[in-house]
Amino acid sequence: DGGITQSPKYLFRKEGQNVTLSCEQNLNHDAMYWYRQDPGQGLRLIYYSQIVNDFQKGDIAEGYSVSREKKESFPLTVTSAQKNPTAFYLCASSPGQGAISGNTIYFGEGSWLTVV
Amino acid sequence: GQSLEQPSEVTAVEGAIVQINCTYQTSGFYGLSWYQQHDGGAPTFLSYNALDGLEETGRFSSFLSRSDSYGYLLLQELQMKDSASYFCAAPNSGGYQKVTFGTGTKLQVIP
Repeated sequence: DGGITQSPKYLFRKEGQNVTLSCEQNLNHDAMYWYRQDPGQGLRLIYYSQIVNDFQKGDIAEGYSVSREKKESFPLTVTSAQKNPTAFYLCASSPGQGAISGNTIYFGEGSWLTVV
Repeated sequence: GQSLEQPSEVTAVEGAIVQINCTYQTSGFYGLSWYQQHDGGAPTFLSYNALDGLEETGRFSSFLSRSDSYGYLLLQELQMKDSASYFCAAPNSGGYQKVTFGTGTKLQVIP
């Protein structure tokens, strides 16, 4: 089945550590996204990528990094510079501009990151 | 910058109709989408309005007025399973693919 796979589902990070969240999609979508959601809050855009080897900062990019070396993969690294990383992280994709409803977004199941 | 404002909470009775509003400020408007998210789950797409007017999908309908920078999601024949958070979303001035989400409305359906 087509979809978006995030791993791990739950992750614990020690202070000062970098961690990487994996995101893979087999929907053949051009655009991919990372959102952060704090409990009871909305979704805030961290990074997005419209095409392979290109990505742009969202609204809260500080302390995060991404890469887009393959169309199907968009990993997110939470660096030690992110001072309050405990949150629910959602990876997503969309077909891209030019497709009907091309910015309709499809989400993975999310990853819970906790700092211990 | 981009902003999409929604009421934070709405409570409605099972079987009733509820409207969730979204007012937005953005340049380069491409349309308004709606998403549903149950607690602990991922958001799922509900509807999309590219043009003014009403779009109907089963019990859910969505309306857009570009001139008023306003849209709403209408849920009819409410069921307990409709208890969830609802988000409007739109691309912002950063480009078609830079999609940002509204503040979210938590809907509680009561018997």
